[in-house]
Amino acid sequence: TQLLEQSPQFLSIQEGENLTVYCNSSSVFSSLQWYRQEPGEGPVLLVTVVTGGEVKKLKRLTFQFGDARKDSSLHITAAQPGDTGLYLCAGAIRNRDDKIIFGKGTRLHILP
Amino acid sequence: GAGVSQTPSNKVTEKGKYVELRCDPISGHTALYWYRQSLGQGPEFLIYFQGTGAADDSGLPNDRFFAVRPEGSVSTLKIQRTERGDSAVYLCASSFVLAAPYNEQFFGPGTRLTVL
Repeated sequence: TQLLEQSPQFLSIQEGENLTVYCNSSSVFSSLQWYRQEPGEGPVLLVTVVTGGEVKKLKRLTFQFGDARKDSSLHITAAQPGDTGLYLCAGAIRNRDDKIIFGKGTRLHILP
Repeated sequence: GAGVSQTPSNKVTEKGKYVELRCDPISGHTALYWYRQSLGQGPEFLIYFQGTGAADDSGLPNDRFFAVRPEGSVSTLKIQRTERGDSAVYLCASSFVLAAPYNEQFFGPGTRLTVL
């Protein structure tokens, strides 16, 4: 059973467009993280969200944590080719010793 | 200081052989994690250490996999009698403290293991 579902799996859009990717689960998270991974490298943390309903912004990236702390979204405004990569969400699941579980990721490709 | 380093970066071996993968965490980080990432998948948890002890090894797929961290710093992931299905990128991460929710993990570049 996949505890964290990410959608879409793949997304290819033109430079300058906006996009949203999603991370969903039936489990409640004590925290949720978004990472970006480039080929041949390990994931790099973008943001951690902790409070239900929390919104965090990182330049053109906006992260939101669902009110019930079961889902999250990442919105990118005016996508740039440098945003290309694999976006992973990872949740620390309450009642599971806060073990970090990763989703399969959304592979994003921004066309110049 | 330096980030998490992993050696070798690539390892090609034959089915049935034994391999060791090494992880050097960021100095001072007490928690260390091993993950396995197959093509098109997210990282899959294998084991984590708090200090020298394995706090949770529930992700190790079977008894061919073993990991140690004898001095609470460098860790070695050991795989016996390798199988083709073990082929993947093995990622190591470290963090300053184990406690969530502010548990930022810093990842190494991974070791790509190919079992022929």
